[in-house]
Amino acid sequence: NAGVTQTPKFRVLKTGQSMTLLCAQDMNHEYMYWYRQDPGMGLRLIHYSVGEGTTAKGEVPDGYNVSRLKKQNFLLGLESAAPSQTSVYFCASSGTDQETQYFGPGTRLLVL
Amino acid sequence: GEDVEQSLFLSVREGDSSVINCTYTDSSSTYLYWYKQEPGAGLQLLTYIFSNMDMKQDQRLTVLLNKKDKHLSLRIADTQTGDSAIYFCAVEHGSGNTGKLIFGQGTTLQVKP
Repeated sequence: NAGVTQTPKFRVLKTGQSMTLLCAQDMNHEYMYWYRQDPGMGLRLIHYSVGEGTTAKGEVPDGYNVSRLKKQNFLLGLESAAPSQTSVYFCASSGTDQETQYFGPGTRLLVL
Repeated sequence: GEDVEQSLFLSVREGDSSVINCTYTDSSSTYLYWYKQEPGAGLQLLTYIFSNMDMKQDQRLTVLLNKKDKHLSLRIADTQTGDSAIYFCAVEHGSGNTGKLIFGQGTTLQVKP
């Protein structure tokens, strides 16, 4: 039982490049979330999903897209990376009891 | 919109108690959470409290909830150097069964030996 895993752990992009961050969970959780963490701002919700095939916008969705084709995976895409997207990205999942969100270890993204 | 505020830094001596405070604006939150983040790691759930409770105790951790003042606190008894980390308060946000959370900015706890 690995919990929530994220790949890659670290990535450097040039402005305008695209990439996809992968989140996987093996706890059969319905809900999955993508956050970004910036200094002094806590975590902000980018997009989330309440089930396979469904996604919704969070607090800061602009510049990102997501897909939840399989229940265990939640992908975060950056179509054209910008320096403002330099951040640490965390994925989380939770069951329908919502008593806790389990977090992945994070992906550090640097956009030059 | 929903806002969650925390003080940014707290320094205590080993063995003392630490109290980390949080205020929030959304009174409809059902669950309120405390997460811990160690350097270079993800967030780990420490404890949570249901909105119809005033207090919850879990070993060295005590959570107090004042719904009238929309104030949540986390008390760590006998603070140890291993408790040094960033502590995040989080509250449920929005209607419906989505589990969305709004996080505070995080309080960095420094424990001096």
